[in-house]
Amino acid sequence: GAVVSQHPSRVICKSGTSVKIECRSLDFQATTMFWYRQFPKQSLMLMATSNEGSKATYEQGVEKDKFLINHASLTLSTLTVTSAHPEDSSFYICSARRAGYGELFFGEGSRLTVL
Amino acid sequence: GIQVEQSPPDLILQEGANSTLRCNFSDSVNNLQWFHQNPWGQLINLFYIPSGTKQNGRLSATTVATERYSLLYISSSQTTDSGVYFCAVPRGSGGGADGLTFGKGTHLIIQP
Repeated sequence: GAVVSQHPSRVICKSGTSVKIECRSLDFQATTMFWYRQFPKQSLMLMATSNEGSKATYEQGVEKDKFLINHASLTLSTLTVTSAHPEDSSFYICSARRAGYGELFFGEGSRLTVL
Repeated sequence: GIQVEQSPPDLILQEGANSTLRCNFSDSVNNLQWFHQNPWGQLINLFYIPSGTKQNGRLSATTVATERYSLLYISSSQTTDSGVYFCAVPRGSGGGADGLTFGKGTHLIIQP
């Protein structure tokens, strides 16, 4: 149990376009989902926290108008990178948490390349 | 916020060797997780270990919460154990409700 799936796993887009990444909890209801970003050979940095039915909470330095997060249901959160630029190229990973449980589970990650 | 330090940063071993990875954290925590990030980037949950010792096959982990550290043991290493090992602790007092803070990881290479 506790499977989190991300899609797409890889995406290449042109500068100025928008890209949407989906994160789904397949076998549990995720009251909270988290979006992380990882640069090559570095650790994971939290970008934002999303709770079902409410606005996401963004970490300091993360542009909320560039990284739109929607958590419309207990099993789906989406991250949309708007007007993407080459510096947005990175590995994005989501994680999900069940209510009352401390353990977090992570998706497979999505590698974004902006040309 | 809480600081997480992992050591060593890099480790190269021959197949069959044993290893110990360490994770120190700067404040008391009520849970801790160990992950293995494989070459494709996926984070695999290894242990959820707020305290005590757990074992899963060739891997085991011990967390001594009062002394603010955790250890991950890998015995009889295999080439498939290669990758980056991260430990992570809750960012706040909510036990994970605020997400996790990650250490910088230990990059493990197992040579045949």
